[in-house]
Amino acid sequence: KAGVTQTPRYLIKTRGQQVTLSCSPISGHRSVSWYQQTPGQGLQFLFEYFSETQRNKGNFPGRFSGRQFSNSRSEMNVSTLELGDSALYLCASSPRAGENTEAFFGQGTRLTVV
Amino acid sequence: AQTVTQSQPEMSVQEAETVTLSCTYDTSENNYYLFWYKQPPSRQMILVIRQEAYKQQNATENRFSVNFQKAAKSFSLKISDSQLGDTAMYFCAFMKHGGNQFYFGTGTSLTVIP
Repeated sequence: KAGVTQTPRYLIKTRGQQVTLSCSPISGHRSVSWYQQTPGQGLQFLFEYFSETQRNKGNFPGRFSGRQFSNSRSEMNVSTLELGDSALYLCASSPRAGENTEAFFGQGTRLTVV
Repeated sequence: AQTVTQSQPEMSVQEAETVTLSCTYDTSENNYYLFWYKQPPSRQMILVIRQEAYKQQNATENRFSVNFQKAAKSFSLKISDSQLGDTAMYFCAFMKHGGNQFYFGTGTSLTVIP
């Protein structure tokens, strides 16, 4: 059974640009969550999607958005990139919503904004 | 709001020895879960052990065990017979019952010395 797949693994963007990151959950998993990991702020929750609906959102500006497709794959988008958006973005998938205690994480996308 | 505190930024242990990583948390919830995740250089977060707050018995997974003190809001991880592959960042995390969001500590970098 394939694990959580995040693409791309590495990304370099320029300030002001936008970026889209992708996460393919484990087959059969319907919940996808996103986290931002930085040395200064640690791991912070961005949002969670289940059945194509955003169920919960963390304390991030509106430049951060996401969506989920009918096959449970999820994308997150960051517009008007800032230097502070440089981070490791982790995706986690779970079988169901409401109790993500069986979450499995991907290897992340390392975003560098220059 | 939930907070998780890991007061040991870095630790080291000799191979085959035992080490304990500390974690405290603050919550007003009565039902919740606590986790230890390991993040090796590959960046993928791997679940080490999970504890359900309503269970008094401490969780154990092979060489990994926890000391869960609910009243003191303490959740330490003991690694026995440390192996070189245990070298990684270790994150303590909290999730409330029925929740979909992890609250992570700042992590402890563990180095196993041969």
